[in-house]
Amino acid sequence: DTEVTQTPKHLVMGMTNKKSLKCEQHMGHRAMYWYKQKAKKPPELMFVYSYEKLSINESVPSRFSPECPNSSLLNLHLHALQPEDSALYLCASSQDRDGSSYEQYFGPGTRLTVT
Amino acid sequence: GQSLEQPSEVTAVEGAIVQINCTYQTSGFYGLSWYQQHDGGAPTFLSYNALDGLEETGRFSSFLSRSDSYGYLLLQELQMKDSASYFCAVIGYSTLTFGKGTMLLVSP
Repeated sequence: DTEVTQTPKHLVMGMTNKKSLKCEQHMGHRAMYWYKQKAKKPPELMFVYSYEKLSINESVPSRFSPECPNSSLLNLHLHALQPEDSALYLCASSQDRDGSSYEQYFGPGTRLTVT
Repeated sequence: GQSLEQPSEVTAVEGAIVQINCTYQTSGFYGLSWYQQHDGGAPTFLSYNALDGLEETGRFSSFLSRSDSYGYLLLQELQMKDSASYFCAVIGYSTLTFGKGTMLLVSP
């Protein structure tokens, strides 16, 4: 099973709402990532988890809060977002952070619209 | 910091060969990956070069010259389904930094 799943596929939320994005993989990968991708742009790294611990936060605003409950799951909690946060949010995983980050498996993404 | 340059768009016909170039400037370089992303889809890993030279995977090949800070992706026997965006990505200090992407349009 080389699949990364993400829910929901689409999400529309107001600026005062709280919502969560979920990501799951069952490949035994120990590194998981959140990326943000705007239309016609490359994915931009937000967070890296390695062995369930946050190892990299690319100066992401605190209205985005990641969580890794176990080695298979990754959440992204959203609160008080701005319209400019509307984007495709991609989750990815790799076997580990340091040796295999060149080969990441991406989920299909959650398309987020903030109104 | 890291910066990568690749052409924004390339067009070709079915059956042709196309080369997508990537030049990079980075502090801390471990290798160069290539990803494909169809419109509305997820990025998919294609290939990785850590050392100089050519890596071949079916119709796709990737090349790296570390001394020139340059790499390319070669796609042979182009098919319509190859129409997609192609990203080069530098691996440094455990993270991937993507180039801006090259949109490949394959016509009949």
